[in-house]
Amino acid sequence: KNEVEQSPQNLTAQEGEFITINCSYSVGISALHWLQQHPGGGIVSLFMLSSGKKKHGRLIATINIQEKHSSLHITASHPRDSAVYICAADTDKLIFGTGTRLQVFP
Amino acid sequence: KAGVTQTPRYLIKTRGQQVTLSCSPISGHRSVSWYQQTPGQGLQFLFEYFSETQRNKGNFPGRFSGRQFSNSRSEMNVSTLELGDSALYLCASSSMTGTEAFFGQGTRLTVV
Repeated sequence: KNEVEQSPQNLTAQEGEFITINCSYSVGISALHWLQQHPGGGIVSLFMLSSGKKKHGRLIATINIQEKHSSLHITASHPRDSAVYICAADTDKLIFGTGTRLQVFP
Repeated sequence: KAGVTQTPRYLIKTRGQQVTLSCSPISGHRSVSWYQQTPGQGLQFLFEYFSETQRNKGNFPGRFSGRQFSNSRSEMNVSTLELGDSALYLCASSSMTGTEAFFGQGTRLTVV
């Protein structure tokens, strides 16, 4: 079993829909990262959180330390949100989930 | 301020050769980490350097090595290349371990 599990693996949505991506981890962490990767490979750090909830624009990330679970929500999804979203557990190194491929259609 | 710069962006090498990849972190950042991304294994941690010292190493063979210079720029080297080393190699910098990481665009290495 992987130390960091993400679901779903693939997600298709219509523009405007509310999106949720889930991440569960089995290791002790100092923080949980959410990353976005567009075709071509570049990775952008979206959130780094160790408790509670963070919001940036239409993106919201939450974490439940007791349940070892984090979610990334996208409100009012847009085609430009199409990307791979990756969660990573921050131990003494980053341990990555396998990613969620999101496609948002107009 | 300038982001993380990786060079070269693309590289084709032959089996058995060696390769050196470079990463220039954001100015003021002292921590540089390297990652390998392949379709089969996803993203995996290679190693982390902080102030010229290797702080942590992932589960990769000794053919993979790295170093960091006094200006925080880092290089990673892969010797005796194998076909399976074909991957996107990403580096990330942060001001210190445990803070937000900023990623470069990656170097796509193809071994033929």
